[in-house]
Amino acid sequence: NAGVTQTPKFRVLKTGQSMTLLCAQDMNHEYMYWYRQDPGMGLRLIHYSVGEGTTAKGEVPDGYNVSRLKKQNFLLGLESAAPSQTSVYFCASSYTRQGNEQYFGPGTRLTVT
Amino acid sequence: GQSLEQPSEVTAVEGAIVQINCTYQTSGFYGLSWYQQHDGGAPTFLSYNGLDGLEETGRFSSFLSRSDSYGYLLLQELQMKDSASYFCAVRDKQAGTALIFGKGTTLSVSS
Repeated sequence: NAGVTQTPKFRVLKTGQSMTLLCAQDMNHEYMYWYRQDPGMGLRLIHYSVGEGTTAKGEVPDGYNVSRLKKQNFLLGLESAAPSQTSVYFCASSYTRQGNEQYFGPGTRLTVT
Repeated sequence: GQSLEQPSEVTAVEGAIVQINCTYQTSGFYGLSWYQQHDGGAPTFLSYNGLDGLEETGRFSSFLSRSDSYGYLLLQELQMKDSASYFCAVRDKQAGTALIFGKGTTLSVSS
């Protein structure tokens, strides 16, 4: 039981490049989330999904897209990376509709130069 | 809107007791959660208070007063390994099941 996994762990992009971050969970959770964490800013919600085939915007969605084609996977895409997207990205999942107990992946550290 | 306030830093010594406060403003309240994050690691769930009162889990306790929009995390018998960031969080009414996190409190435990 791996829990929540994220790939890659580290990535450096040049401005304008694109990439996809993959999140996978093996706990059969319905709800999945993407957060970004910046120094002094805590965790901020980018997008979330309440089930396979559904996605919705969070607090800071601009510049990102997501897809949830399979229940266990939640992909975060950056179409044209910008230095402002330099951050640590965390994926999380939860099994209750309340979502109070979320399980987080180890994070992806992204640097955009 | 929704917001949470918590101190940015707290310091303590091994064996001591420390309390991390969290005040919140939210248009619809569904309970207060606490997460721990060690440097470079992922946040991990510590506790949840849906109703007023104290919840105890080992050395950690969490308290909620909905009438005061206030909660706290109490850490007892502090150990060096408790040095970490602690976040309070509430459900985001605008985003269904997602959480809004405070900016975190960095706890430093010294010997």
